[in-house]
Amino acid sequence: NAGVMQNPRHLVRRRGQEARLRCSPMKGHSHVYWYRQLPEEGLKFMVYLQKENIIDESGMPKERFSAEFPKEGPSILRIQQVVRGDSAAYFCASSPPSGTGPGTEAFFGQGTRLTVV
Amino acid sequence: AQSVTQLDSHVSVSEGTPVLLRCNYSSSYSPSLFWYVQHPNKGLQLLLKYTSAATLVKGINGFEAEFKKSETSFHLTKPSAHMSDAAEYFCVVSGSWGKLQFGAGTQVVVTP
Repeated sequence: NAGVMQNPRHLVRRRGQEARLRCSPMKGHSHVYWYRQLPEEGLKFMVYLQKENIIDESGMPKERFSAEFPKEGPSILRIQQVVRGDSAAYFCASSPPSGTGPGTEAFFGQGTRLTVV
Repeated sequence: AQSVTQLDSHVSVSEGTPVLLRCNYSSSYSPSLFWYVQHPNKGLQLLLKYTSAATLVKGINGFEAEFKKSETSFHLTKPSAHMSDAAEYFCVVSGSWGKLQFGAGTQVVVTP
């Protein structure tokens, strides 16, 4: 059973370009979470999605950032018109549909490290 | 609202000596708490979790943590550090639908 797969592992974008980060959850998992880790900081929640639905996007910046989790295919975190401050590691996690209450373990991917030059 | 505070940003220990990583939490209800480890340029791995069962929780690689409600603490310990324990450790509290709130992390350095 493959774990959470994120690609690319490393992404370099020039200021103003678009960045697309992909996350394939573990098999059987229908809940996906995106977190951002800035240098020297812990992970900050961005968005929680289920298939075709955004459940909680309270951690997403108001502009330029969007996320989706279509019925088929991976979850995508999209950053438009990237700026240097977007440089960070972006982690995806998934959890099974059986429980989303407290105590549900989330399984993390290895992250995508975005560098904006 | 839930939050965690990791009391040490850096901990340095000698190989073979005990490790103590401190974490205090704040929660409006009985929390679920986790410790995750992140090795350089790697993803996060779950070490252990507390979900209102036994207050002393055993995890992987010899780590354990004790939930103390009276002190609102969930400190992580290991009796004898190994070089491979050098990593960043995160104390995490879970919200109502599984949303994770991370502490700022503790960087562990292990010296020979």
